[in-house]
Amino acid sequence: GESVGLHLPTLSVQEGDNSIINCAYSNSASDYFIWYKQESGKGPQFIIDIRSNMDKRQGQRVTVLLNKTVKHLSLQIAATQPGDSAVYFCAVSDGGSQGNLIFGKGTKLSVKP
Amino acid sequence: SQTIHQWPATLVQPVGSPLSLECTVEGTSNPNLYWYRQAAGRGLQLLFYSVGIGQISSEVPQNLSASRPQDRQFILSSKKLLLSDSGFYLCAWSVRGASSYNSPLHFGNGTRLTVT
Repeated sequence: GESVGLHLPTLSVQEGDNSIINCAYSNSASDYFIWYKQESGKGPQFIIDIRSNMDKRQGQRVTVLLNKTVKHLSLQIAATQPGDSAVYFCAVSDGGSQGNLIFGKGTKLSVKP
Repeated sequence: SQTIHQWPATLVQPVGSPLSLECTVEGTSNPNLYWYRQAAGRGLQLLFYSVGIGQISSEVPQNLSASRPQDRQFILSSKKLLLSDSGFYLCAWSVRGASSYNSPLHFGNGTRLTVT
């Protein structure tokens, strides 16, 4: 079966620095990948997605990199701000016809002022 | 723009009591609808999903049930709550079907359920 994991459960960065959050997946049939941000007491908020026909996608201060060869996904946040403090987790499609997602457990990002 | 509403935000219920959590979506038609449970330190667990009115798929056997009486309304229920039903319940929607590409899930702000 699939597994979705994160390399680090917590990440602490200085305000203004760049943050990198990683995610590994195991199903080579996965073709759709999403990053979510979840603040305390709230639901997950969509940040950015990428499909398997791409290896990089950029948004506002965020970049997602996809390496299908090693089944690795990363989220880069530029110039991290205190408002970026949250739990970040990836979601990976299970490769089935229903397009169900498998979610990672999350990395808690703390931004030090 | 699309919005999703979940209520209540928090709920404390005694063991054996019934449960009804409601979720509605605005600004879109024919969405896929989902109920997830999030336990501390664990990934989101899919409980139910629906691709249309009256169409419910259950992912895990449990003490809960779901219904979709209207296109944009999704209800999570239980006849008798167990202690193990405590958790953070999230409703989500996505664009239905078509295309070879999936679309992201958009979540509500969840209901924190405590069964005492």
